Amino acid sequence: EVQLVEAGGGSVQPGESLRLSCTVSGFTITNSWMHWVRQAPGQGLVWVSRINKDGSTTTYVDSVKGRFTISRDNARNTVYLQMNSLRVEDTAVYYCAHMRPGEPWFDPWGQGTRVIVSS
Amino acid sequence: QSALTQPASVSGSPGQSITISCTGTSSDVGVYNYVSWYQQDPGKAPKLMIYNVSNRPSGVSNRFSGSKSGNTASLTISGLQAEDEADYYCASYTTSTSYVFGTGTKVTVL
Repeated sequence: EVQLVEAGGGSVQPGESLRLSCTVSGFTITNSWMHWVRQAPGQGLVWVSRINKDGSTTTYVDSVKGRFTISRDNARNTVYLQMNSLRVEDTAVYYCAHMRPGEPWFDPWGQGTRVIVSS
Repeated sequence: QSALTQPASVSGSPGQSITISCTGTSSDVGVYNYVSWYQQDPGKAPKLMIYNVSNRPSGVSNRFSGSKSGNTASLTISGLQAEDEADYYCASYTTSTSYVFGTGTKVTVL
């Protein structure tokens, strides 16, 4: 069964850090782009970051540049999102999503992990 | 990168057809045929419904169709059913080598 399982969410104070993980089963992500997308409570989807197959190319939305770092471990079929200097506005459900090379659409998605940043 | 613009809500009666628009710019929707559409039920992960403007993944009903004209893409749901009630989002690749989603549309079946 194809599954993407996110973990690592939680409740933190502003300025603190969290590391999210997305572990994939049912297929290998070795040649795939992997993405993080977030959704604040009651709001829409926002693309956050992407990483290419070997980690040599990463891209971020402006609002997280310099604070978030995406990485991957292909041996573990896992992608990470290191989130530092968290802000209240980073509060959201964070989804990881898969993208095959040459196919610029997100499929499948994980079930999401919730991050709450509050003082 | 600003979000693509979608109507906040669209409604229709069972059996009717509805269309959701997704308006971007010449830096995203207008320049690439890389528009995709996602259906999201409350509390669930998004599900791919349309890719590359008008292609349906296997398993998605042929009542869902997509198109594009200039900077605006559209998703049409024909023969509206109660199970189609959900939030819908468009997405596009951009010239900044990033991605952008639409603002989202809540579909209500009357």
